[in-house]
Amino acid sequence: AQKITQTQPGMFVQEKEAVTLDCTYDTSDQSYGLFWYKQPSSGEMIFLIYQGSYDEQNATEGRYSLNFQKARKSANLVISASQLGDSAMYFCAMREGWGGGADGLTFGKGTHLIIQP
Amino acid sequence: GAVVSQHPSWVICKSGTSVKIECRSLDFQATTMFWYRQFPKQSLMLMATSNEGSKATYEQGVEKDKFLINHASLTLSTLTVTSAHPEDSSFYICSARDGTSGGGDEQYFGPGTRLTVT
Repeated sequence: AQKITQTQPGMFVQEKEAVTLDCTYDTSDQSYGLFWYKQPSSGEMIFLIYQGSYDEQNATEGRYSLNFQKARKSANLVISASQLGDSAMYFCAMREGWGGGADGLTFGKGTHLIIQP
Repeated sequence: GAVVSQHPSWVICKSGTSVKIECRSLDFQATTMFWYRQFPKQSLMLMATSNEGSKATYEQGVEKDKFLINHASLTLSTLTVTSAHPEDSSFYICSARDGTSGGGDEQYFGPGTRLTVT
C-alpha cells in the first residue's frame, strides 16, 4: 500500500482562486510529520509547510495552510488567492517516527498545478 | 535560512565511468543527509541516509556498491555513482537536517544534480 497518496495528477485553477491539493497518508506510527513541497520546473524542492502529528492546530504559512484531519489521515494543502507563480509540481511527504533526524521522507506522486490567468 | 548546495548541477558521462556528486550544508552542521533520486515525471525516492562518521543506510533495492556514499564531515556528503549506465540517468537530490537546531523537523533540499549517462 502506498504511504502517501495524491489523487490529483493535475489541476487547472483560475488565478486568484483558492486551491486544495489532496493528500492522504498511511502509517501505524503515533509520531510522524507531514510536509508539502513545491517543485518548479527548475527542479529545486521548496519547503512550504509542516504539520506534526501531535500538533493540534492546523499549520499555516502565509498563503499556505494545511488542513490536517488526523482521524481521516488526511493532510490537504490549501493555497489561498493563487498566483501565476504557483504553477509547479506539489509533493506531499511524510516522515515516520519521532523525528530524531534519522528518517528520510516518503513522497507522494505529486500534483501538477497550473494557474491560468 | 539554511542553504544546501550541490555540485555539479548537471553532468554528462559515458557509460562505465564513475561520477561524484557533492552535497554541502553551507550555514549549518548536518549530522544527517539524505539522498533521493527522481526519474522524469516521477516522485522522489529515498536512496540512502548518510550519517556523519558512519556508514550510510541504504533503502531496499538500492545497490550500496554502486551508489557509494561518504559523509566525511558535518557539512559534506558525497554520492558516487560507480560504473554508470544509461538507466542511472536521473535527477539526484540531497537534503540535510540541521543537527544543531535543537528541534525542527525540516529537511533542507539541495538544488539537485541532473545526471545523463550516454
